Amino acid sequence: GQQLNQSPQSMFIQEGEDVSMNCTSSSIFNTWLWYKQDPGEGPVLLIALYKAGELTSNGRLTAQFGITRKDSFLNISASIPSDVGIYFCAGQSRGSQGNLIFGKGTKLSVKP
Amino acid sequence: GAVVSQHPSRVICKSGTSVKIECRSLDFQATTMFWYRQFPKQSLMLMATSNEGSKATYEQGVEKDKFLINHASLTLSTLTVTSAHPEDSSFYICSARLPYSYEQYFGPGTRLTVT
Repeated sequence: GQQLNQSPQSMFIQEGEDVSMNCTSSSIFNTWLWYKQDPGEGPVLLIALYKAGELTSNGRLTAQFGITRKDSFLNISASIPSDVGIYFCAGQSRGSQGNLIFGKGTKLSVKP
Repeated sequence: GAVVSQHPSRVICKSGTSVKIECRSLDFQATTMFWYRQFPKQSLMLMATSNEGSKATYEQGVEKDKFLINHASLTLSTLTVTSAHPEDSSFYICSARLPYSYEQYFGPGTRLTVT
């Protein structure tokens, strides 16, 4: 089946540092989505990407849809303590009947 | 926009009883909603896809008679955990798909504890 590899699994950074995480898939995706989940809450959509090569920003967050359509990355600039949480990538491919496939998440910890 | 609510947020029930969880899209109509289950420190596991006016599509390994899904309107889907057992204790999250889009918006989740 389709798989998403998300890395790194966890990150421990200092406040103010930039963060980068990425996802790669074994198949071509038509849509990439990035979510953030706080403990005990549902995931919140951060950025949606629809075209290969697309680069989209949302405040301090920037995400790109890889040219090969098999990968995506999310960057967070100048991290702050409230960036703490688990970030999930999710992708949709032609064979998924509209369903999303989720990565295993990147747990971000920010030290003040 | 794109707000999804879920109720209750937390429920404790006795083994053998049934529990109903509601998922509502508050500011858009959703022909398709999804139910996920999430174990501690793990990713989201899709249980079923709920389509308005038709039967839900269950993922492999998910018992449809145990997890009853009803999507009676364009803004409401319900998940009923029947004859709940302690192993059903988990965090259940619903999502609603925006029309003409693959974007899914999630509810805040329901923490189910079966004693």
